[in-house]
Amino acid sequence: EVQLVESGGDLIQPGGSLRLSCAASGFTVSSNYMSWVRQAPGKGLEWVSVIYSGGSTYYADSVKGRFTISRDNSKNTMYLQMNSLSAEDTAVYYCAREPPLGVGAAGYFALWGRGTLVTVSS
Amino acid sequence: EIVLTQSPDFQSVTPKEKVTITCRASQSIGSSLHWYQQKPDQSPKLLIKYASQSFSGVPSRFSGSGSGTDFTLTINSLEAEDAATYYCHQSSSFPPTFGQGTNLEIK
Repeated sequence: EVQLVESGGDLIQPGGSLRLSCAASGFTVSSNYMSWVRQAPGKGLEWVSVIYSGGSTYYADSVKGRFTISRDNSKNTMYLQMNSLSAEDTAVYYCAREPPLGVGAAGYFALWGRGTLVTVSS
Repeated sequence: EIVLTQSPDFQSVTPKEKVTITCRASQSIGSSLHWYQQKPDQSPKLLIKYASQSFSGVPSRFSGSGSGTDFTLTINSLEAEDAATYYCHQSSSFPPTFGQGTNLEIK
């Protein structure tokens, strides 16, 4: 079955660090564009970061310099290392896959995980 | 950054009604506009890709149209299970952005 499963969400104090994982099954993470998208409680969707199949990485301005996206091909898993967390980072974090299209990706998110909740609070 | 503005923010409708949700982009994005449905406590699900192409397995009552800056999601003959928040998303320009969402309530 093709699916994504996030884990690692937790209650963390401001200024702390956390690493989220996104385990894929049914397809190869390294062959796809994979993103993190977050949703603050009661709010809309916000794109956070992407890792391309070629390994390039990009970030939203709101997390640049604090978050790092990566993947472990041997585990078919993507990660999001989050540092210097603040209350504004409180959200459900989803991983999402863009289907491949030619040498790039399709642009839309066809597959989403169920999300993992990160709560930043003292 | 391209801003997507959806209208309305909230709509209460009765079953079998026809619903139209609009998404306006702050600059032209061609057809790089996609629609998602999110039910409470669930992850978003893709409905429409590239403005008007239905995604696999999506009921035929969902359709999309538009190009450039103005886009529409239409739900024909609304069903109770369509109660959800709907989001548009653009992939024309970096960073990808989402509309603020339209909350659809079924009376």
